Amino acid sequence: DVKVTQSSRYLVKRTGEKVFLECVQDMDHENMFWYRQDPGLGLRLIYFSYDVKMKEKGDIPEGYSVSREKKERFSLILESASTNQTSMYLCASSFDPLEWGQMNTEAFFGQGTRLTVV
Amino acid sequence: AQSVSQHNHHVILSEAASLELGCNYSYGGTVNLFWYVQYPGQHLQLLLKYFSGDPLVKGIKGFEAEFIKSKFSFNLRKPSVQWSDTAEYFCAVSSGGYNKLIFGAGTRLAVHP
Repeated sequence: DVKVTQSSRYLVKRTGEKVFLECVQDMDHENMFWYRQDPGLGLRLIYFSYDVKMKEKGDIPEGYSVSREKKERFSLILESASTNQTSMYLCASSFDPLEWGQMNTEAFFGQGTRLTVV
Repeated sequence: AQSVSQHNHHVILSEAASLELGCNYSYGGTVNLFWYVQYPGQHLQLLLKYFSGDPLVKGIKGFEAEFIKSKFSFNLRKPSVQWSDTAEYFCAVSSGGYNKLIFGAGTRLAVHP
């Protein structure tokens, strides 16, 4: 079974704090993603990474950064947390369709981290 | 930019009723289409996916979806729902490389016994 593990299920942080959300996958996937999930908005892509040390902005990157030092680990960083970053954060991983074919592009998701910024 | 529209935000059904959830996408090129489900307290998991070939796709738990290219639609169906189908359902599309998924807003389904 593919496992995408997020380090925390629930986090409460103060405004202005630097926050790290960690994600680890065990399937040797090339691609990793960070989404945030908000009611009525679905999932929106924050950042993704297609290789170690490689990253691309998603649709809502403002206020976030990412780090991928090892293939299995992808971190989301909130440089200075704000209340509008209170949300559910989901990490996902998948094989690279260009290398493995479109049929193997299912994205696997972690359990999510519910972050509250007070 | 690509977008995905799910027409129903909340659906309430009785057990054994038929289900159809609408999904339309905006991209005109080659797309891959997905339906994901999120049961209460659980992680998002894949119901079914379409890449090419037969436009009628069968997934897990009796769900199916039909890709209609001319309508840019990928509606999800189930002939007879169960209480255990209570969940939030997300339609998603990807195109090009990297497998970036663009999600719809989701549909919350509540099935009453």
